[in-house]
Amino acid sequence: AQSVSQHNHHVILSEAASLELGCNYSYGGTVNLFWYVQYPGQHLQLLLKYFSGDPLVKGIKGFEAEFIKSKFSFNLRKPSVQWSDTAEYFCAVWDTGFQKLVFGTGTRLLVSP
Amino acid sequence: SQTIHQWPATLVQPVGSPLSLECTVEGTSNPNLYWYRQAAGRGLQLLFYSVGIGQISSEVPQNLSASRPQDRQFILSSKKLLLSDSGFYLCAWRTVGRYQETQYFGPGTRLLVL
Repeated sequence: AQSVSQHNHHVILSEAASLELGCNYSYGGTVNLFWYVQYPGQHLQLLLKYFSGDPLVKGIKGFEAEFIKSKFSFNLRKPSVQWSDTAEYFCAVWDTGFQKLVFGTGTRLLVSP
Repeated sequence: SQTIHQWPATLVQPVGSPLSLECTVEGTSNPNLYWYRQAAGRGLQLLFYSVGIGQISSEVPQNLSASRPQDRQFILSSKKLLLSDSGFYLCAWRTVGRYQETQYFGPGTRLLVL
């Protein structure tokens, strides 16, 4: 079964700093990849997703992620973070064999004003 | 548009008491439904999923059970709660079709077992 690794458990940035959150999945083939975000006190929301095509995916609120097949990675990026980006971010991969969504352990991002 | 509801939003229960958490989906038919538990630093753990009425698949053996009495209703239950059942429970749905693999989550229920 697939597994997902998010190496950064906690990230602290100042406003306007650039962000990159790492995500690696365990094995290749056809993959469907997702980033979800959970703002404080809110429910889990879809940030962006990759199914096929252009490996650079743009999502909401200025976020983007790049699928690099050779590295089994799907890192999330934002050029300039805002205080309102403070949240927990989850990477997920659809396991086509087991027909379920597999999540990473999440990264807590704190953006200081 | 589709919406997903969960209730209650928060719940405090004594050890040994029963549990019933409800999830309903509106605006779609025949969705796949999921129950997850979210624990701090451990991500989301899939507990149960259902592809149709009365069809439940369990991912991990534990003190909980799930039922799907209607197409858009998914219930998480326990006969006797344990301290370790405390956590944040999320319901999710996805429609098999064009957006096959995308799951959408409800607001969650925070359960505290004392």
